[in-house]
Amino acid sequence: DAGVIQSPRHEVTEMGQEVTLRCKPISGHDYLFWYRQTMMRGLELLIYFNNNVPIDDSGMPEDRFSAKMPNASFSTLKIQPSEPRDSAVYFCASSSTESSYNSPLHFGNGTRLTVT
Amino acid sequence: GNSVTQMEGPVTLSEEAFLTINCTYTATGYPSLFWYVQYPGEGLQLLLKATKADDKGSNKGFEATYRKETTSFHLEKGSVQVSDSAVYFCALGLGTYKYIFGTGTRLKVLA
Repeated sequence: DAGVIQSPRHEVTEMGQEVTLRCKPISGHDYLFWYRQTMMRGLELLIYFNNNVPIDDSGMPEDRFSAKMPNASFSTLKIQPSEPRDSAVYFCASSSTESSYNSPLHFGNGTRLTVT
Repeated sequence: GNSVTQMEGPVTLSEEAFLTINCTYTATGYPSLFWYVQYPGEGLQLLLKATKADDKGSNKGFEATYRKETTSFHLEKGSVQVSDSAVYFCALGLGTYKYIFGTGTRLKVLA
């Protein structure tokens, strides 16, 4: 099992530019989550999908943020336009309802975003 | 509401010392409890879990017992190693889509 794969690992961009983060969940997992981690706010849930459908996007900070999941093996998180306060580590995680009701999350290694 | 409270770090220990990281929670319903570990530059990894009261989760020498009476899930290890240096997160699971994470406790183990 390759685990959750995120790309890129690091992204440095200038304010105002569009940023796209990518995620490939574990095969067979039906839930996908996007989290943001900062020193000040810890881990924040941005959005999650079930069977490729967005279920709860209440954590998405602003309209500048959008996420898609066109199929079961791929998701993107886009920020347009980016701002310095978006600098953080963005994690993708997946889980499966097959094993148990409270299945653990499997995290990718994250994308460290720096907006200058 | 639902919440998780962890002891503030950093925690600094000498190798082979005993480790306790405190975690308490408030929750409605019957949550599962998790400990995750994050090594530098990596994502969170599941360390152990417990799904009901009095369950003990264990892995790699770490243990935690789900105490409903004290709403706690403290992480313990009898003898830490330098390689255990990481950030540890306590988390509450309220269903497949709803997880509440603590703020994390940084552990530094000195040789």
